[in-house]
Amino acid sequence: DIVMTQSPDSLAVSLGERATINCKSSQSVLYTSNNKNYLAWYQQKPGQPPKLLIYWASTRESGVPDRFSGSGSGTDFTLTINGLQAEDVAVYYCQQYYTTPFFGPGTKVDIK
Amino acid sequence: EVQLLESGGDLLQPGGSLTLSCAASGFTFSNYAMSWVRQAPGKGLEWVSGISGSGDRTEYADSVKGRFTISRDNSKNTLNLQMNSLRAEDTAVYHCAKDQRMLVRGRDWYFDLWGRGTQVTVSS
Repeated sequence: DIVMTQSPDSLAVSLGERATINCKSSQSVLYTSNNKNYLAWYQQKPGQPPKLLIYWASTRESGVPDRFSGSGSGTDFTLTINGLQAEDVAVYYCQQYYTTPFFGPGTKVDIK
Repeated sequence: EVQLLESGGDLLQPGGSLTLSCAASGFTFSNYAMSWVRQAPGKGLEWVSGISGSGDRTEYADSVKGRFTISRDNSKNTLNLQMNSLRAEDTAVYHCAKDQRMLVRGRDWYFDLWGRGTQVTVSS
């Protein structure tokens, strides 16, 4: 299995400021034949199922606000929320799909 | 409306068996791989099992291999999870989830549609 870790476990950010979440895979999730990183990001609000935000490490899902962006390659990835809004309070998960899917442990984002 | 609706969750004793179902609507079910993803109380997401759109390929997490069986009925737009030899650590909300892309042949699944889940509790 390719195991995912995330940091920090939680963070509190002021409204309008930037939130940065890191995700690391135990092996590269970059498939060299197509130069794609097999990495997705999800948002989960309390009492709701997860929502897909980002796939291929940096492609935003349709309807996701452009304040959400993904970056990184190989084993190190970042989800950035620019201009945090109150509705962004949630737990964020990364997931690799280079092999059978494996999720990171999650990062909780709160308002400072 | 595009949606997934799980059912079948229950409270049962260790060693018991249970079958979960997921009814899909609003999309061409047979074109998409499907998975089960579980979430233990207060914990993160754990992928459990997945199946290709045609049903000819199945994959399992090591934690459930040999105990759980995933299947689908494309004529009824239904996904199933047969769970045997249940353990306390299988206690979780079980979500069904749809792969975003059509006709994916491999196991490189990520999920754009999720159901709200069904609760499975294993306790003596």
